[in-house]
Amino acid sequence: AQSVTQLDSQVPVFEEAPVELRCNYSSSVSVYLFWYVQYPNQGLQLLLKYLSGSTLVKGINGFEAEFNKSQTSFHLRKPSVHISDTAEYFCAVSGFAQAGTALIFGKGTTLSVSS
Amino acid sequence: EAQVTQNPRYLITVTGKKLTVTCSQNMNHEYMSWYRQDPGLGLRQIYYSMNVEVTDKGDVPEGYKVSRKEKRNFPLILESPSPNQTSLYFCASSLKGPKGRYEQYFGPGTRLTVT
Repeated sequence: AQSVTQLDSQVPVFEEAPVELRCNYSSSVSVYLFWYVQYPNQGLQLLLKYLSGSTLVKGINGFEAEFNKSQTSFHLRKPSVHISDTAEYFCAVSGFAQAGTALIFGKGTTLSVSS
Repeated sequence: EAQVTQNPRYLITVTGKKLTVTCSQNMNHEYMSWYRQDPGLGLRQIYYSMNVEVTDKGDVPEGYKVSRKEKRNFPLILESPSPNQTSLYFCASSLKGPKGRYEQYFGPGTRLTVT
């Protein structure tokens, strides 16, 4: 079984500041890792994913994440945020055997960007 | 346009009145899932389907039913809704195996209120 812990429920930042949203996971098997974004009153959109290869993954809207197997972490970063990045962000994992069928989500981090 | 659609988007009903939330995808995806999203809990999987006539329970299946009679459709049925099923529901679909890169595509959500 897998579990996901998003270490911050809310992250307030000012526009153009850097941000890091932290995600740790627990699993007894190898996993794929995902970050999704949910803008207000909308569905979920995939930001980026780690399947294999380079541990630094680049996604849409200038976001990137680094997979750290030894620390079982997959933190999301952006060097300079915009007001439009205000949203809820979800980290999710899927065991290899469940890939494509089941995602285990964290509880979400609300990113609030102000001017 | 490739998409997952859900209907209705908003629904207010009373305890015990059977309801169905429809989900349809036009991407010829084999896998489909239902999730519910609750504040502070993230998203949790209710049921999933790996193909026509193949369904299985997720993490929170109690009080729900599903069916998969056609590849494109995956309705969620609440036979006797209760207030604790008030939630935001998402349908998702994905391609089978690595060709889909394990990405799940989410519908816009259905906000259900049971009084």
